[in-house]
Amino acid sequence: QKEVEQNSGPLSVPEGAIASLNCTYSDRGSQSFFWYRQYSGKSPELIMSIYSNGDKEDGRFTAQLNKASQYVSLLIRDSQPSDSATYLCAGYTGGGNKLTFGTGTQLKVEL
Amino acid sequence: NAGVMQNPRHLVRRRGQEARLRCSPVKGHSHVYWYRQLPEEGLKFMVYLQKENIIDESGMPKERFSAEFPKEGPSILRIQQVVRGDSAAYFCASSPPSRMTGELFFGEGSRLTVL
Repeated sequence: QKEVEQNSGPLSVPEGAIASLNCTYSDRGSQSFFWYRQYSGKSPELIMSIYSNGDKEDGRFTAQLNKASQYVSLLIRDSQPSDSATYLCAGYTGGGNKLTFGTGTQLKVEL
Repeated sequence: NAGVMQNPRHLVRRRGQEARLRCSPVKGHSHVYWYRQLPEEGLKFMVYLQKENIIDESGMPKERFSAEFPKEGPSILRIQQVVRGDSAAYFCASSPPSRMTGELFFGEGSRLTVL
């Protein structure tokens, strides 16, 4: 079982719609989670972090964490073509020394 | 305010040669991480270093791969006797001394092609 799992997609949504990206994790000891965005051919950049159960909102982005279900999600409201990228879910695993990434979900926002 | 600098950006090697990838972290950052990325496979953790110390190398292959972060100078990821399967993008990231913030600053990556 992978430590952090994501559906690779691609996930296609029309412009203006809500994009929902999901992630599950296996290490119950993991406490904090992060969403990175990676444009094609570029390096990943952090867009959201979440440390406690519930929702955290930042502009058009909302991160959700459910520790009981070991589930993390990212919602992107009013999706724009510029949101088209691969979204990587990450969490600290194995005692906390390494940030483990999922394989990423490719999001395509269509005009 | 320079970010993480990696060089070379692109490197071509023949099987059996050595590859050396360099990473200069953000000024003031003392933690360096190396990740490997293959198409469709996401970022795979390789090694976590602090100045002059390897903290976690659980993702490093046991043979041919080594990493260092000396007191002075950049971090180096060294791959000896490269094989075609080593072809990948290698990303370096750095973070400030406070641990587990999850905010890693990534370089643009070094893309290794083994012929």
